Order: sequence, then C-alpha cells, then structure tokens
Amino acid sequence: TAGITQAPTSQILAAGRSMTLRCTQDMRHNAMYWYRQDLGLGLRLIHYSNTAGTTGKGEVPDGYSVSRANTDDFPLTLASAVPSQTSVYFCASRGQGAGELFFGEGSRLTVL
Amino acid sequence: SQQGEEDPQALSIQEGENATMNCSYKTSINNLQWYRQNSGRGLVHLILIRSNEREKHSGRLRVTLDTSKKSSSLLITASRAADTASYFCATDGGAQKLVFGQGTRLTINP
Repeated sequence: TAGITQAPTSQILAAGRSMTLRCTQDMRHNAMYWYRQDLGLGLRLIHYSNTAGTTGKGEVPDGYSVSRANTDDFPLTLASAVPSQTSVYFCASRGQGAGELFFGEGSRLTVL
Repeated sequence: SQQGEEDPQALSIQEGENATMNCSYKTSINNLQWYRQNSGRGLVHLILIRSNEREKHSGRLRVTLDTSKKSSSLLITASRAADTASYFCATDGGAQKLVFGQGTRLTINP
C-alpha cells in the first residue's frame, strides 16, 4: 500500500530558483496538508486543502503556493526559493470525519 | 505560534522503565493526538483522545487529558529500544487543521 508519496526525497536548490514538491495519495482522502519541520520549531502548517478545488493558508504560507486540481495530488510550489526555506517538508492527508493524519516520508530541501 | 508544547524536550531512560511525556495547549480543542517520528521518517499516528475523554489506552500506551488544565500526558510502559523516537502532540480545534508541538525526543538505553 502506497499511502502518501512525496517527491523528490531530497533536493538542493539555488536561491531564486523555483521548485515544486509533489505529493500524491491513493487513499481518496478529502483533506491534505503541507507542513515544514525545522529543528526547535516542530511542524508548522504551510497550506491545506479541505477538498479538491479549495485551498487555505496555514501558519507560514508566505513564499509558497499550492493547488488541488484533483483529490489525489497536492503540489507545493516555491516560486523563488530563499535560504530560510531550507527545511524538511511533509505532506499529510486525512479522511472525511477522521481524526488522524497520514504522513509522507518527507522531502528534504536545501536552498543555497 | 505553536498550540502544543511538549515537556521535556528530551528524555533518556533505561530499557524496561516507563516514559512519561507531557503536552500543554492554549485554546479549546475537539481532540488531542499523539504521533511518533523515527529519525528521518514521517510521523505516524499513535492515539487520539477526544475532549470528553479523560484517559485512553492502546497496548503499552496510556494517554490522559485534562481539559481544565489544558494538558495531556503520554505514558509508554515497559519501554523498549525500538521506542526511541520523537513524540509529538497535536491539537485539533476544528477547521480541519492540526497544530503540532515541538516534540519530545525519547532515547531508550539498552
């Protein structure tokens, strides 16, 4: 069972370049989320989507954009990367009426 | 700003001992959840306790919730080396968003 697949696993990016982190789920979950995890700061919500066609801003949305064209995919785009966006990014999903989140294995991004 | 704050930030115990981690939060919640993260991996859901529940068990895990004190605890009994991981509490205040704390890093020494 795949669950949530994130790609790439790891990426080094030059500052100013754009990058899209991919997230695909095969559980038909309505809600999807993007978090970033930084040492000492825990997980912070970047953007979320309650259902296909809708998105919302989380705690730290600046510099990031998302789209939700269908149920399965929730890509996160950095239009012009900056070094402060160096982090580990986690995608997660949750089913309708369910409590728990299912997480991907993360994408480690380094912006130089 | 973080909703949940875990205490302690790091905990090191001997195998076989019990491990207790605490979580405090600030606003009203629908439920509180605990997650585990092994090094370099994604988070895995452990247990969910609803706001009208006071205690919940799952295997060697015991979670308590005190909504009057806005706090929760996670107890792992008879710890094993494989329990070494970071543990996070997450609060669900509705609006489909979970807010995570900074985590407790647990080390079980053989």
